[in-house]
Amino acid sequence: AQSVAQPEDQVNVAEGNPLTVKCTYSVSGNPYLFWYVQYPNRGLQFLLKYITGDNLVKGSYGFEAEFNKSQTSFHLKKPSALVSDSALYFCAVRVYNFNKFYFGSGTKLNVKP
Amino acid sequence: EAQVTQNPRYLITVTGKKLTVTCSQNMNHEYMSWYRQDPGLGLRQIYYSMNVEVTDKGDVPEGYKVSRKEKRNFPLILESPSPNQTSLYFCASQQGGGQGYEQYFGPGTRLTVT
Repeated sequence: AQSVAQPEDQVNVAEGNPLTVKCTYSVSGNPYLFWYVQYPNRGLQFLLKYITGDNLVKGSYGFEAEFNKSQTSFHLKKPSALVSDSALYFCAVRVYNFNKFYFGSGTKLNVKP
Repeated sequence: EAQVTQNPRYLITVTGKKLTVTCSQNMNHEYMSWYRQDPGLGLRQIYYSMNVEVTDKGDVPEGYKVSRKEKRNFPLILESPSPNQTSLYFCASQQGGGQGYEQYFGPGTRLTVT
């Protein structure tokens, strides 16, 4: 069975500090990995994706993520957090030759001034 | 403006009363999908559609129906809603059926079944 795990329900970080939101996955096949952000009362917005190639991918709003095949991880990072980054973050996976998407349970990021 | 729209945004109904949540996209996307979001569970895919007249089950299809008669529309039908279908529902669309494309999400529909 395919699955995505976000081990932290909540991550707290001070503004200006680096942030990491963790994601690990378990799939049978080659994964396509995505990060989305959800602000209160809004739909999900795409941040970045890994399809193939360079393991470090850069996305919107200064976010980046590193694909680690051996650790089956795709952690989201940002060098310097902003208060406006506070939101709910979801990791998602889709497997090559399969049509379904699988999402993690979400991680609430709190950035304090 | 490229967007996915859903209606209604909020709905309170009673057990057993059939309802439809509409979803429409203006991006000529082939792939469309419905999700439900529940606390602690993230998003779970209900149904998806690869193109007109092509639909398939996601992970939690029980109690739901869909149809795709036009490329732009993908309504979600609850023929006999039950309280365990109280949730936040999202429609999403994606360019093409390829696995590498990201999805665009609608604003959500909050459904309460009493």
